[in-house]
Amino acid sequence: EVKLVESGGGLVQPGRSLRLSCAASGFTFDDYAIHWVRQAPGKGLEWVAGIIWNSGGTGYGDSVKGRFTISRDNAKNSLYLQMDSLKSEDTAFYYCAKGPDFWSGFDSWGQGTLVAVSS
Amino acid sequence: QSVLTQPPSASGTPGQRVTISCSGSSSNIGSTYVFWYQQFPGTAPKLLMYRNNQRPSGVPARFSGSRSGTSGSLAISGLRSEDEADYYCASWDDSLPGWVFGGGTRLTVL
Repeated sequence: EVKLVESGGGLVQPGRSLRLSCAASGFTFDDYAIHWVRQAPGKGLEWVAGIIWNSGGTGYGDSVKGRFTISRDNAKNSLYLQMDSLKSEDTAFYYCAKGPDFWSGFDSWGQGTLVAVSS
Repeated sequence: QSVLTQPPSASGTPGQRVTISCSGSSSNIGSTYVFWYQQFPGTAPKLLMYRNNQRPSGVPARFSGSRSGTSGSLAISGLRSEDEADYYCASWDDSLPGWVFGGGTRLTVL
C-alpha cells in the first residue's frame, strides 16, 4: 500500500524558515516524481513544487519561486520542502503527492501537514 | 483567480446525472490532459480521473470524464449521497510551466 506521511508543520513567524518532510513507503520511491501541493484553509488546491525521480529536474509555482526549495533523498525514501522567507499567505495544509511522472498528475496523496505563518 | 475555471457549486438529487465543467486554454487543457480529484471535508484529495477519461481502479463507473478543445468535464450518473464532496480539475500548463488547478466545485446531493 502506498503511504506518504508529511511532517514538520507548525506555527512560524513571518520571514522565518521551516522544513517539511514526506516519508514514503509501499512503492519504489526512486521510480516516481513527487510534488508538494498546498491548500489554504477553506480554499482550493495550489501546486507548490515538483521533482522528478532522479532530482534532475524541478519545478515551482510562481508564488513560491525563489523562496522554496524541493529536494529528495532516494536512499531514505524521503521528500523535503525548504521554505524560506515565509509569508502569511503561505499558511496552508501542505500535501505531498506522488505522480507516475512529472506531467501525469498526482495519483496518491499524503494526509497533509499544517503550516501557519503568523506573528 | 484560478487558471482553470470551474463553477463554485453544483447540485442534484439522488439518481440524477450531474456534470461539472472545467474551462482552460490552449496552453493547458487544449494541449494536454485534464485530471479530476475528489476531496471530502478534512481529508486529502483523491485521484478520480486521469488523462481526461481514465478511471483509477476502485472508482465506480458512474464517474466519467471527457475533454473537448480547451475544456474538460466530469459527469456523475446515478448520483448518491456519498458523492457529496469538492471536485477539482487540474492540468499541466506549458506556458508557466507548472500544474494548475480549478477553483473547485462543491457538489451537494439534495
